[in-house]
Amino acid sequence: AQRVTQPEKLLSVFKGAPVELKCNYSYSGSPELFWYVQYSRQRLQLLLRHISRESIKGFTADLNKGETSFHLKKPFAQEEDSAMYYCALRAAGNKLTFGGGTRVLVKP
Amino acid sequence: EPEVTQTPSHQVTQMGQEVILRCVPISNHLYFYWYRQILGQKVEFLVSFYNNEISEKSEIFDDQFSVERPDGSNFTLKIRSTKLEDSAMYFCASTATNTGELFFGEGSRLTVL
Repeated sequence: AQRVTQPEKLLSVFKGAPVELKCNYSYSGSPELFWYVQYSRQRLQLLLRHISRESIKGFTADLNKGETSFHLKKPFAQEEDSAMYYCALRAAGNKLTFGGGTRVLVKP
Repeated sequence: EPEVTQTPSHQVTQMGQEVILRCVPISNHLYFYWYRQILGQKVEFLVSFYNNEISEKSEIFDDQFSVERPDGSNFTLKIRSTKLEDSAMYFCASTATNTGELFFGEGSRLTVL
C-alpha cells in the first residue's frame, strides 16, 4: 500500500526567506508525485508534478527515489504563497494518495 | 475557464438519513472521482468512475455509498444511511485523461447530527 507523509503541519517563514516543504512516500513500484495547493477560499489545484520537472510560481520539487522524497522548495517566499500544500502520489490505477498537508504562512 | 461545480455547499442531516451530493464535472472530462476530508485529517480517495462504471474504490466506499452519472453531465454520490462519522468535506474531481492532474470542485460540507 502507498503512503505519503508530510511531517510539518505548519511552516511559518518571513517574506523573502527560503521555504522547503518535506514530503516522503512509501511505495514499492515507480510512483508519480505531485504537489497540490489550496489557497484561502479557493479549490484544491495542481501546483506541479515530478514528470514535468518545471518550476511553477518559483517552486521546484525533485523526486529522490533513494530517499523516497519529493520536497517542495522556493528560494524566496512571497506573501501570496501562504496556503495549504498537499503532496500526492499516484500509483497503479488512477487514484491519488495525499499527505496530511502543510500550512505555509508567509509573514511580511 | 471551466470548473467543477458541486452542490450543495453545505448540508446538515440527521443520522440515518439519505444524502445525495451532486457534481457537474468539466464537460469534456472522462474520469470522475470523489474524495473526502474529515476535519483535521487527510484528503482520502473514495471512488473513481470511468466509462459509466466504478474503476476503483477504497475500503471507505462500502455498501452505504453509491455513485451515479444519471444524465451525462451530473455525477452524484449517495450515502444511503448517514452516520456521525460521515461528517466531512466531500470533493468531486474530474480529468480528461488518466493522469494525476485532477480538477477539483470547491467541496460539499456534510454535517451529520
